Amino acid sequence: GENVEQHPSTLSVQEGDSAVIKCTYSDSASNYFPWYKQELGKGPQLIIDIRSNVGEKKDQRIAVTLNKTAKHFSLHITETQPEDSAVYFCAASIPHFNKFYFGSGTKLNVKP
Amino acid sequence: DVKVTQSSRYLVKRTGEKVFLECVQDMDHENMFWYRQDPGLGLRLIYFSYDVKMKEKGDIPEGYSVSREKKERFSLILESASTNQTSMYLCASSLQISSYEQYFGPGTRLTVT
Repeated sequence: GENVEQHPSTLSVQEGDSAVIKCTYSDSASNYFPWYKQELGKGPQLIIDIRSNVGEKKDQRIAVTLNKTAKHFSLHITETQPEDSAVYFCAASIPHFNKFYFGSGTKLNVKP
Repeated sequence: DVKVTQSSRYLVKRTGEKVFLECVQDMDHENMFWYRQDPGLGLRLIYFSYDVKMKEKGDIPEGYSVSREKKERFSLILESASTNQTSMYLCASSLQISSYEQYFGPGTRLTVT
């Protein structure tokens, strides 16, 4: 089955700096790559996603890039703010029953 | 807004007890999922359902079963709880097979003693 690896496991940045989280996947059939943010005591919430026919997608301070050849995708957060502090999960989905395979998570700490 | 609710936020059970975790979604979604979340392991799929009375095993189904008698409700059952089932359990739903976004509930923190 699909295997998703995520790095780093923890990331600490100063407010205003950029943060980058990287994921790799193994199954070339994967065609959808969402990123979820989980705040303390809450369930994960989708923040951005990208499909396999697109190389990059941006939404304000958040961007995701996808390299299908290398089978890796990354989350970029610019101008980080304390409220960006959370655990972030990447996932890859193969086109069958919408099954997601999640990375192990990155705990992002933005220091004021 | 899509709402996925889970019956309990915190649950403490004894080894050997039968445990029911309930999940309800209010947006008429076809697909529903149960995950467990453990530190350093991310979210792992236990079971999912793509229609009423239909179920499929995920990646870690051992020790669990599920029930989906109504479209909006998906139950996770631990037939005989064990300490290694202490975890955070997350329910999710999505609209259709071809629709991608999964909406998550707040989670149930289960402790088995």
